[in-house]
Amino acid sequence: DTGVSQNPRHKITKRGQNVTFRCDPISEHNRLYWYRQTLGQGPEFLTYFQNEAQLEKSRLLSDRFSAERPKGSFSTLEIQRTEQGDSAMYLCASSWAGAETQYFGPGTRLLVL
Amino acid sequence: GQQLNQSPQSMFIQEGEDVSMNCTSSSIFNTWLWYKQDPGEGPVLLIALYKAGELTSNGRLTAQFGITRKDSFLNISASIPSDVGIYFCAGPSNAGNMLTFGGGTRLMVKP
Repeated sequence: DTGVSQNPRHKITKRGQNVTFRCDPISEHNRLYWYRQTLGQGPEFLTYFQNEAQLEKSRLLSDRFSAERPKGSFSTLEIQRTEQGDSAMYLCASSWAGAETQYFGPGTRLLVL
Repeated sequence: GQQLNQSPQSMFIQEGEDVSMNCTSSSIFNTWLWYKQDPGEGPVLLIALYKAGELTSNGRLTAQFGITRKDSFLNISASIPSDVGIYFCAGPSNAGNMLTFGGGTRLMVKP
């Protein structure tokens, strides 16, 4: 399977802990996106990379959130000092630069207790 | 910012029935995308529309790009139980680097 993969699929953590999620995009895609989805809502854009450069960040991405894509392949999303409001599904997507169709991974569901 | 409104919010239909849902925007989109999301999974791309007035099919699914470029429609013919899920419309920003999603239409199919 050469689709977008995400790990872990589920994460339960206590408030105040740090968590890190990983996304492996479709191998030939140079753009990688992170979205957050809360229950009953559509996904909301957080940030995206073209190769290793982070080109845009949403206002939803507070300073407790950081994303990296060091070698232009996989990406990590870290949330520091988690809060209960961070509980959501975190989705990763990838595409070719300039293409408007994005392909999503299965998501990481985060629950902050 | 751009907003997409989907209707209906939910539908409960009998297996075999046809389904129609739509998506409207306050601003123009140059591309419309339709995704389906199963519980606990990520959205899966169903159909992409690139031109006003375009009608595109994917099996039992047919989607249309409205001529005003502010709306799109998705039809499912002869629904089956595996059609159950949430259907999202989405459109790219003007720069093409992020998708704005509608709130989704939840489809339930009774066998």
